[in-house]
Amino acid sequence: QVQLVESGGGLVKPGGSLRLSCAASGFTFSGYYMSWIRQAPGKGLECVSYISSGGSSIYNADSVRGRFTISRDNANNSLYLQMNSLRAEDTAVYYCARGKKFFDYWGQGTLVTVSS
Amino acid sequence: EIVLTQSPGTLSLSPGERATLSCWASQSVSSSYLAWYQQKPGQAPRLLIYGASSRATGIPDRFSGSGSGTDFTLTISRLEPEDFAVYYCQQYSSSPYTFGQGTKLEIK
Repeated sequence: QVQLVESGGGLVKPGGSLRLSCAASGFTFSGYYMSWIRQAPGKGLECVSYISSGGSSIYNADSVRGRFTISRDNANNSLYLQMNSLRAEDTAVYYCARGKKFFDYWGQGTLVTVSS
Repeated sequence: EIVLTQSPGTLSLSPGERATLSCWASQSVSSSYLAWYQQKPGQAPRLLIYGASSRATGIPDRFSGSGSGTDFTLTISRLEPEDFAVYYCQQYSSSPYTFGQGTKLEIK
């Protein structure tokens, strides 16, 4: 069965960095676009970044462009999100999800808290 | 950016009743590129409907989606206790792909 497991969240100070990981299993990872979607506490959902199956096409939301970098390692079925220059408004649960347009499988999420 | 507005914000119904949730788009959503998700507390969203009316794998047939253009509806024909949750619509017609603010379906 399809499984997506995120890790790497935690508490970080404003201006700091964090790297999120997502381990995928149960499907041919290299054949799918993958995305990061976040949800601020008590708020709605925001598509943050997506990456094509081979890694050549990338999208970043305006809110994170220039600060966040999505990448993938198809040999190890892993997706990453490097987050730099973190701000308080980046505080959210970050979900790894399969797909680019709509998302048919999601991980359980990892909480990122940006606070001094 | 296409803004999605969901109505009502909260819907209070009893098990066995019919639920009708609405999602309006600020611009036309081409090719009915609209999805619906269910989210329970502490859980990730779950895909219910894509392409405005196609049920995702394993979704019971009491869930149905309809609509086109700027006006979309999710209908739950007979509510089961496990259906009480927050529901989000999402458009993937135009980048950035955006979500509605959600409708909370609560037990009356």
